[in-house]
Amino acid sequence: AQSVTQLGSHVSVSEGALVLLRCNYSSSVPPYLFWYVQYPNQGLQLLLKYTSAATLVKGINGFEAEFKKSETSFHLTKPSAHMSDAAEYFCAVTLRRSYNTDKLIFGTGTRLQVFP
Amino acid sequence: EAGVTQFPSHSVIEKGQTVTLRCDPISGHDNLYWYRRVMGKEIKFLLHFVKESKQDESGMPNNRFLAERTGGTYSTLKVQPAELEDSGVYFCASSFRDRTTYGYTFGSGTRLTVV
Repeated sequence: AQSVTQLGSHVSVSEGALVLLRCNYSSSVPPYLFWYVQYPNQGLQLLLKYTSAATLVKGINGFEAEFKKSETSFHLTKPSAHMSDAAEYFCAVTLRRSYNTDKLIFGTGTRLQVFP
Repeated sequence: EAGVTQFPSHSVIEKGQTVTLRCDPISGHDNLYWYRRVMGKEIKFLLHFVKESKQDESGMPNNRFLAERTGGTYSTLKVQPAELEDSGVYFCASSFRDRTTYGYTFGSGTRLTVV
């Protein structure tokens, strides 16, 4: 069975500081991994995804994530936080090459606060 | 290109009443998914349509929930009768057949409050 663990339900950083949001996954087969962001009163927006190409994935708004198989991790980073990054972030996993079962399994989310 | 549209955006109903949520996927997306987030918990899968067929409904909590996708276009999710624990945000998502290349596009969600 697949699962996702996001460490830290709340993360606070100062504007300009490094953002690190942690995600660890469990999967019996090679996974596809996603990070989504939800801004207040909006839907889920895809930040980036890992689908077996490069292990370092660059996304929108300066975010990137690195797939580390040995650590079963897919942490999200951004070198310098901006006030507009304040939102809730979700890590998700799904199976590769499975047409019958491709539901996303989400973590519980991490709310990012950015202080001036 | 229009995104995934959900309505209503908010709904407040009394316990025992019926509510119908609607999702309009992106045109041409065969795959349509429903998810739900109960307050403070993770977003959980409810079901998956491929065109008009239910491909996977393993996440549907009980028989008070009925999802349909007539004609393979928009989808409805009916809750009848609603219970307090049904409160949460219901998300719809759609994707092309090659979902891992093009990803999943989510709607803004319907916030359901059962009182």
